[in-house]
Amino acid sequence: AQSVAQPEDQVNVAEGNPLTVKCTYSVSGNPYLFWYVQYPNRGLQFLLKYITGDNLVKGSYGFEAEFNKSQTSFHLKKPSALVSDSALYFCAVRGGSGYALNFGKGTSLLVTP
Amino acid sequence: EAGVVQSPRYKIIEKKQPVAFWCNPISGHNTLYWYLQNLGQGPELLIRYENEEAVDDSQLPKDRFSAERLKGVDSTLKIQPAELGDSAVYLCASSLEDDVSTGELFFGEGSRLTVL
Repeated sequence: AQSVAQPEDQVNVAEGNPLTVKCTYSVSGNPYLFWYVQYPNRGLQFLLKYITGDNLVKGSYGFEAEFNKSQTSFHLKKPSALVSDSALYFCAVRGGSGYALNFGKGTSLLVTP
Repeated sequence: EAGVVQSPRYKIIEKKQPVAFWCNPISGHNTLYWYLQNLGQGPELLIRYENEEAVDDSQLPKDRFSAERLKGVDSTLKIQPAELGDSAVYLCASSLEDDVSTGELFFGEGSRLTVL
């Protein structure tokens, strides 16, 4: 079965510092990987995806993610964190049953001033 | 362009009562999903529709949950009777599956259910 793991429940970073939110995946076949962000009392918003091609994927709000096939990882990164980046971040993989996404448990990002 | 619209945003009911959630997907999106999100967890798929056909309902607890998508547009998710453990956020999402499984899902803001 296609699955992702987010090993960190929470990540704390100071504003202006680089941030990384970790995700590892387990798939059979080609991995279709996604990152979503969820602000309080809001739905999930798409950030970026990896389908094929360049291992460094750029997305919304200055976020990027690096696909690493040998480490089966798809970590989310941002060079300089903002307080407004504080939210829940979910990694997801396209499921084996078709088009549905299988989500990780989420990582809470807290950016402090 | 309007996004995925869900209603109600919040619902409080007593256990054993019925409840229904409504979802209007993005215009033209043929695939619709209902997800369940428990507090502190990632969303879990309940059911996926392609047009009006439920193509994956393996995770839907069919003894108390039902869903329909008449005419392949709006969808309703119903719980009858509700149990305390059903308290969660019910998310609806839609996508346009014309690009070989690579498209992203677009989510509504969710319906938060509290069962007392």
